[in-house]
Amino acid sequence: GQQLNQSPQSMFIQEGEDVSMNCTSSSIFNTWLWYKQDPGEGPVLLIALYKAGELTSNGRLTAQFGITRKDSFLNISASIPSDVGIYFCAGRGATNKLIFGTGTLLAVQP
Amino acid sequence: DAGVIQSPRHEVTEMGQEVTLRCKPISGHNSLFWYRQTMMRGLELLIYFNNNVPIDDSGMPEDRFSAKMPNASFSTLKIQPSEPRDSAVYFCASSSSGGWDTIYFGEGSWLTVV
Repeated sequence: GQQLNQSPQSMFIQEGEDVSMNCTSSSIFNTWLWYKQDPGEGPVLLIALYKAGELTSNGRLTAQFGITRKDSFLNISASIPSDVGIYFCAGRGATNKLIFGTGTLLAVQP
Repeated sequence: DAGVIQSPRHEVTEMGQEVTLRCKPISGHNSLFWYRQTMMRGLELLIYFNNNVPIDDSGMPEDRFSAKMPNASFSTLKIQPSEPRDSAVYFCASSSSGGWDTIYFGEGSWLTVV
């Protein structure tokens, strides 16, 4: 199935560092969502974005809906060990289907 | 509040056997989705229902897969006969918007076909 390009594929960082990841698409999206998946669990919604240029925060997480509507960014500040997991972006476009990115694996070393 | 509930959590079955996965969406949600997750293909939408009616099943791999939603609080995904390449995590998700804005996932059913 169709997927978004998400980068980086994986990140290995030290506790306390900031993290940035992004998602790009060849088509315009109307909604961007960011999910986190812990091992053995289902994805959990972190942030939802509905307008181009929108910047939304959820604690240490900040996500932005790109101006071109073809990309989105997620930043995590001052990472902690429990931030470990796989982060997925998801976008909804004209077809109304929610398309998921390939995921970014985050590992945080205490 | 109870989230999306899936069963079984884990299943190991032999090739050729029938597999039935079950899902109870969040109460009040009118849209239900079945996704499959594998390392190679990531998260793929198999089928989604709106008000118990299948809207888009274009993601269902082949005729061996079928899904039903007999009422607003229950759905099944059936694979018959199962094959080793069906091994994956199958997620059920639900939404209250009738669309896609906020989808809540269950914990998944981990299927292994040997």
